[in-house]
Amino acid sequence: GIQVEQSPPDLILQEGANSTLRCNFSDSVNNLQWFHQNPWGQLINLFYIPSGTKQNGRLSATTVATERYSLLYISSSQTTDSGVYFCAVMGGKLIFGQGTELSVKP
Amino acid sequence: GAVVSQHPSWVIRKSGTSVKIECRSLDFQATTMFWYRQFPKQSLMLMATSNEGSKATYEQGVEKDKFLINHASLTLSTLTVTSAHPEDSSFYICSAPTSGGGTGELFFGEGSRLTVL
Repeated sequence: GIQVEQSPPDLILQEGANSTLRCNFSDSVNNLQWFHQNPWGQLINLFYIPSGTKQNGRLSATTVATERYSLLYISSSQTTDSGVYFCAVMGGKLIFGQGTELSVKP
Repeated sequence: GAVVSQHPSWVIRKSGTSVKIECRSLDFQATTMFWYRQFPKQSLMLMATSNEGSKATYEQGVEKDKFLINHASLTLSTLTVTSAHPEDSSFYICSAPTSGGGTGELFFGEGSRLTVL
């Protein structure tokens, strides 16, 4: 099956810093999504991005499908950005990476 | 975005009893829904794919007799954990795609945290 690898596994930032999270996948996929899991477990949809670049406020994402990776950019990070960020790819079923746990310090 | 609702959010059961978790797509129809399980500090693991009008498809290693899935309508799927034991304690999350055939953007319910004593 498809393998999904996220890096880094953990990230600690000072408020205001920028960061880049990476997602590598092992095969062609139909779609790719980025999620933020809040402390209560709710998965918040960030981007549905099979290819190309999208931006939403301080967040943006780029997927290069031919090279099988996606990047999530967080600019001017805030403490409320803390949590786990998951990349998930659809190749018949949605498979999740192991996540990046982000902690933003005030 | 689309709304998927899950109930209950929290549930505690005694060992040996069963619990039913409901997953509803509130503003769209879903012929397919997915059930995931998440243990603390781990990623989401797909348990099964729920198909309206037919049997669910279970992932390898998931006991179909223990985790009963029923996709009763185009907006409702249920997961019943039968004869639950403490090792079944986990966070269960459902999701549904906004397009048919299991494709399209997926939206997730709030999750159900099961504790078995």
